Amino acid sequence: GNSVTQMEGPVTLSEEAFLTINCTYTATGYPSLFWYVQYPGEGLQLLLKATKADDKGSNKGFEATYRKETTSFHLEKGSVQVSDSAVYFCALHTGRRALTFGSGTRLQVQP
Amino acid sequence: GAVVSQHPSWVICKSGTSVKIECRSLDFQATTMFWYRQFPKQSLMLMATSNEGSKATYEQGVEKDKFLINHASLTLSTLTVTSAHPEDSSFYICSAPPRASGTPGELFFGEGSRLTVL
Repeated sequence: GNSVTQMEGPVTLSEEAFLTINCTYTATGYPSLFWYVQYPGEGLQLLLKATKADDKGSNKGFEATYRKETTSFHLEKGSVQVSDSAVYFCALHTGRRALTFGSGTRLQVQP
Repeated sequence: GAVVSQHPSWVICKSGTSVKIECRSLDFQATTMFWYRQFPKQSLMLMATSNEGSKATYEQGVEKDKFLINHASLTLSTLTVTSAHPEDSSFYICSAPPRASGTPGELFFGEGSRLTVL
């Protein structure tokens, strides 16, 4: 079956630090990969996506590259801000099923 | 602004009572909605797929009679937790794909509803 594994949090960083949140997956077929973000008090929202191998998704300074050989989709940002504090979910989608999520990683950015 | 809205955002009820959670799509029609449940520090687990005009499709291990799902219109799906018990306390989240989505798996999510059963 499909599964997503992401690093446990919380991840605590100082402002302007480099961020990496690891995500690996197991899936049948060729999944699309997503990062969703949940800000405090809000619903999940799509951060970025990649639909095939070697695609790079990017948004708001965040990037993630679909690596088929390592079955990974690590999230990176070069310089985090306090406003990036949130919970980040890696997810995959295959066929007509709903998304399969990782457990989420809480990011706390300190000024 | 939010395109999927849930209500209530939090609810506390006594054991044995039933609780209804509404999920509405705003400004778009959703023939399908997904209901997830999230435990603390755990992933979102898909409970069921709500289909407008037909029965919901439940995931393995989810009790159909306990978690009643009704997709009454193209903009409203409801989840009713019947005879709630403390172990049903959780965070319930609904989501819907945009009608003309370019990428399967790209969903709009509600804000979530936190249920606490005393």
